[in-house]
Amino acid sequence: GAVVSQHPSWVICKSGTSVKIECRSLDFQATTMFWYRQFPKQSLMLMATSNEGSKATYEQGVEKDKFLINHASLTLSTLTVTSAHPEDSSFYICSAARDGGGTEAFFGQGTRLTVV
Amino acid sequence: QQPVQSPQAVILREGEDAVINCSSSKALYSVHWYRQKHGEAPVFLMILLKGGEQKGHEKISASFNEKKQQSSLYLTASQLSYSGTYFCGRPGFNKFYFGSGTKLNVKP
Repeated sequence: GAVVSQHPSWVICKSGTSVKIECRSLDFQATTMFWYRQFPKQSLMLMATSNEGSKATYEQGVEKDKFLINHASLTLSTLTVTSAHPEDSSFYICSAARDGGGTEAFFGQGTRLTVV
Repeated sequence: QQPVQSPQAVILREGEDAVINCSSSKALYSVHWYRQKHGEAPVFLMILLKGGEQKGHEKISASFNEKKQQSSLYLTASQLSYSGTYFCGRPGFNKFYFGSGTKLNVKP
């Protein structure tokens, strides 16, 4: 399968600071990238969908100004958690798809964010 | 938007079988199955595209009903390595949603 690299794997930051998470498709061009958030023992909740060169589409209830998503190229999408608070602590996972997710989507390793 | 899975959790002994169901109120374009180990990203198992389709191999297989509103994942003669949380997933228009999840625990 295709390889998606997500970085960092884990990060601890102080309240009020911003954290950037990168998601790269290493061996294919990802027209679409999805960003998920997962709380312990819960499912993956779609936060937003990003398409290369256009603004991300956010799910209802997800703050656009807090979770900034940029999909500058066909191989890179970034999620920036701005002014992080302890309640933002979670597991964040990206996935990349060639065709909008209709066929297989490939996942990054995930990022464990802890805000203290 | 999110498919509903049942059961929420199941405990098995090695060698036992399990069935995990995934239901949607609307017809699905396709259904995907993933398994996630604790602290890791989900791993793709398979995708079903056609109503009435059955897919997989001897140990792990899945079906997609004719109306494309329900899919089932079959785990046969379970192994310890099957433990994890199983998610079905469905693509939407430029979106991808996961089901509620089923936690499977296989014990020796």
